Amino acid sequence: DAKTTQPNSMESNEEEPVHLPCNHSTISGTDYIHWYRQLPSQGPEYVIHGLTSNVNNRMASLAIAEDRKSSTLILHRATLRDAAVYYCILRGGGATNKLIFGTGTLLAVQP
Amino acid sequence: DGGITQSPKYLFRKEGQNVTLSCEQNLNHDAMYWYRQDPGQGLRLIYYSQIVNDFQKGDIAEGYSVSREKKESFPLTVTSAQKNPTAFYLCASSFRPSGHLDPNTEAFFGQGTRLTVV
Repeated sequence: DAKTTQPNSMESNEEEPVHLPCNHSTISGTDYIHWYRQLPSQGPEYVIHGLTSNVNNRMASLAIAEDRKSSTLILHRATLRDAAVYYCILRGGGATNKLIFGTGTLLAVQP
Repeated sequence: DGGITQSPKYLFRKEGQNVTLSCEQNLNHDAMYWYRQDPGQGLRLIYYSQIVNDFQKGDIAEGYSVSREKKESFPLTVTSAQKNPTAFYLCASSFRPSGHLDPNTEAFFGQGTRLTVV
């Protein structure tokens, strides 16, 4: 299973943009890049996913490098409710399609 | 409302007893997954199922068992053989269009069951 590398923790101020990086140098051509976030004592929540092009939705934007070896989750204006652990995951096709989680990035948002 | 439900939210058991955690979904998803999370750690895959009557071991299947008799249900049994069963257990499901697991779909998670074995 292809692996991702994320910083253990990041800090942001409320109302400011946040850029959460993820490296995935062993990504294969059919792997999608997924992001989930987990609030304390809750199940993970889907944020966004993409293959090659940048993606936007109501929660965030996903910027994918041209060589697909890295990506960045962008929260345009951080709120206190965005404080969570953010997981970057590669999800491949094929028979298994497992979701393999790493340790993620703990985002702290300061008021 | 469609969703995935885990019950109970908190569960206490004595050491040496088997315990079954419930996971039900009404999203018509074929694929279902069980994860374990320890404090300060990421999620680790226990078992997954792509279709009814089929399931595969994940990375930490020892001491656990599952069944998939119905599409909407994927119960997990924590047996007495599991050496450190106290953990937060999460169930997930995802769509499987055209009979193949599609990486272009999101997974939905339940709210988890916190199991404490004393």
